[in-house]
Amino acid sequence: GDSVTQMEGPVTLSEEAFLTINCTYTATGYPSLFWYVQYPGEGLQLLLKATKADDKGSNKGFEATYRKETTSFHLEKGSVQVSDSAVYFCALSESTGFQKLVFGTGTRLLVSP
Amino acid sequence: EAQVTQNPRYLITVTGKKLTVTCSQNMNHEYMSWYRQDPGLGLRQIYYSMNVEVTDKGDVPEGYKVSRKEKRNFPLILESPSPNQTSLYFCASSLLPNAGNQPQHFGDGTRLSIL
Repeated sequence: GDSVTQMEGPVTLSEEAFLTINCTYTATGYPSLFWYVQYPGEGLQLLLKATKADDKGSNKGFEATYRKETTSFHLEKGSVQVSDSAVYFCALSESTGFQKLVFGTGTRLLVSP
Repeated sequence: EAQVTQNPRYLITVTGKKLTVTCSQNMNHEYMSWYRQDPGLGLRQIYYSMNVEVTDKGDVPEGYKVSRKEKRNFPLILESPSPNQTSLYFCASSLLPNAGNQPQHFGDGTRLSIL
């Protein structure tokens, strides 16, 4: 079945450092790919998405590129802020399915001043 | 304001005492879903609904029931809760069709502790 693998956390960075959170996927079809963010005590919010190969999703300084050849969707940000501290989930949804999201296990990011 | 509202946010209860977690959305979304979040496992889908009176099992439906009598509401029912259902639960909704591309909107979560 479909699956998403994320790097283990926590990822601990200083403010203004470069961030990469790795995400790879396994899917039988042509999925859409998502990054969701969960701030403490809150639900998940969509951060960015990409719906086909080579698409780049971006939002709030975060970027991720849909790489079909490596089945990856790594999240990057050039300069993190303390307010970026959260749990980040990579997820996929099959394009012909019924909206089911398959999530990775989540990666906690801790940014210190 | 567009939102998904879950209640309660926190609940501590005992094994076998029936409980219901309510979920309501104000966006006229057709699709609604319940997930549970457990450490090291991410979010797993419990049940989903494509529209009123249309529900189906997700990946971990055992011990749960749902109903969809109105478009805006999708309650999660634990008829006889057990400690292994202690978890953080999220309700989500989205538009249909165009499966796979519509972002899902999540509630703030319900933390259940079953003693």
